[in-house]
Amino acid sequence: KNQVEQSPQSLIILEGKNCTLQCNYTVSPFSNLRWYKQDTGRGPVSLTIMTFSENTKSNGRYTATLDADTKQSSLHITASQLSDSASYICVVYYGGATNKLIFGTGTLLAVQP
Amino acid sequence: DSGVTQTPKHLITATGQRVTLRCSPRSGDLSVYWYQQSLDQGLQFLIQYYNGEERAKGNILERFSAQQFPDLHSELNLSSLELGDSALYFCASSLGQGPYNEQFFGPGTRLTVL
Repeated sequence: KNQVEQSPQSLIILEGKNCTLQCNYTVSPFSNLRWYKQDTGRGPVSLTIMTFSENTKSNGRYTATLDADTKQSSLHITASQLSDSASYICVVYYGGATNKLIFGTGTLLAVQP
Repeated sequence: DSGVTQTPKHLITATGQRVTLRCSPRSGDLSVYWYQQSLDQGLQFLIQYYNGEERAKGNILERFSAQQFPDLHSELNLSSLELGDSALYFCASSLGQGPYNEQFFGPGTRLTVL
């Protein structure tokens, strides 16, 4: 069964600290994996897009990794800021050109001063 | 601001009714996607249009339909509404139709069915 699981479900960290969010997937054939940031009540914003051959991709303080063998991805946030408080959603595209996709349930991150 | 606009922002209606949600993609984008986000199910892909034609279908109910017009704006029609249809409905757009195109999301329409 095609699935995308994220952990933890929620996370509270202090401003300035680092954190890592996890995404495990079981889809085939894999196309690409995306991380989105969604502020409460707003549309998701793309952070990174990773294909099968990419291991690491950075976007400012956000760094995503992908291990296609173990079907795991992580999103590392460095030197967190209050504005990082949001839901982080992992989305996996599969099925080649057919545009099938599965959303993870997200990790709710709260950054406290 | 992503450049994708959605109207209305909020919609309150009763069970059994029909509503239409509207989306205008970013200038130059040919693909439009519709998503539903409810508290218990998270984000779900509904349907994609590319340059006026349906390209991919997700978990879209038969009571729901969509279309993309020649000016590339899109409408999502929801009929025979049920309480469970209450959700945030997002539209996204991208330049191309393939899975590697970055999607830009609109601010969403919050639908409440009473």
